[in-house]
Amino acid sequence: QVQLVESGGGLVKPGGSLRLSCAASRFTFSDYSMSWIRQAPGKGLEWVSYISSSGTTIYYADSVKGRFTISRDNAKNSLYLQMNSLRAEDTAVYYCARGCTNGVCYRYWGQGTLVTVSS
Amino acid sequence: QSALTQPASVSGSPGQSITISCTGTSSDVGGYNYVSWYQQHPGKAPKLMIYDVSNRPSGVSNRFSGSKSGNTASLTISGLQAEDEADYYCSSYTSSSLGGVFGGGTKLTVL
Repeated sequence: QVQLVESGGGLVKPGGSLRLSCAASRFTFSDYSMSWIRQAPGKGLEWVSYISSSGTTIYYADSVKGRFTISRDNAKNSLYLQMNSLRAEDTAVYYCARGCTNGVCYRYWGQGTLVTVSS
Repeated sequence: QSALTQPASVSGSPGQSITISCTGTSSDVGGYNYVSWYQQHPGKAPKLMIYDVSNRPSGVSNRFSGSKSGNTASLTISGLQAEDEADYYCSSYTSSSLGGVFGGGTKLTVL
């Protein structure tokens, strides 16, 4: 069964930085696009960023553009999200999700990692 | 990017059918057949239920079906069961961000 395990979440002060990681296993990581999706406490899902299988195509939500950077290391089967200039409104559970074989969707999700931005 | 519009809540009795709507624009739902639906139980990660408007991934019950008309997509759950009680989110590709957009979510209560 596909496995995605996020790590790197925690408590950070406003203006601070954090780097999230997502370790992938039990599938050929380099064949699939990956995305980060977040969910603020008690709120809905918000798409954050997308990276293609090769890493050459990247998109961001307007809310994080210029502050967050998505990247991947196909040799290490890992996805990353570098988050800078963090704000209180970035507080959320961050999920990494694998793209679908066919179509545009998020086929498998990790269990999420909580990021709390507070002074 | 504006979220897609879903009803906040729907309810139904066991065995009944319910439909959850998801309204967007011609830049997302209406412009592409890339609508997907996710089920999320409390404290759990979302699970893909429908992709590309009406396709079911392997392992998802055929009680779940999807459709689209114009700028509105729909998820129908037939033969409601207690385990279907969860939050449901729609999502679509959007040309606005070249990425994704989600609906606000719908809480399904099985009476």
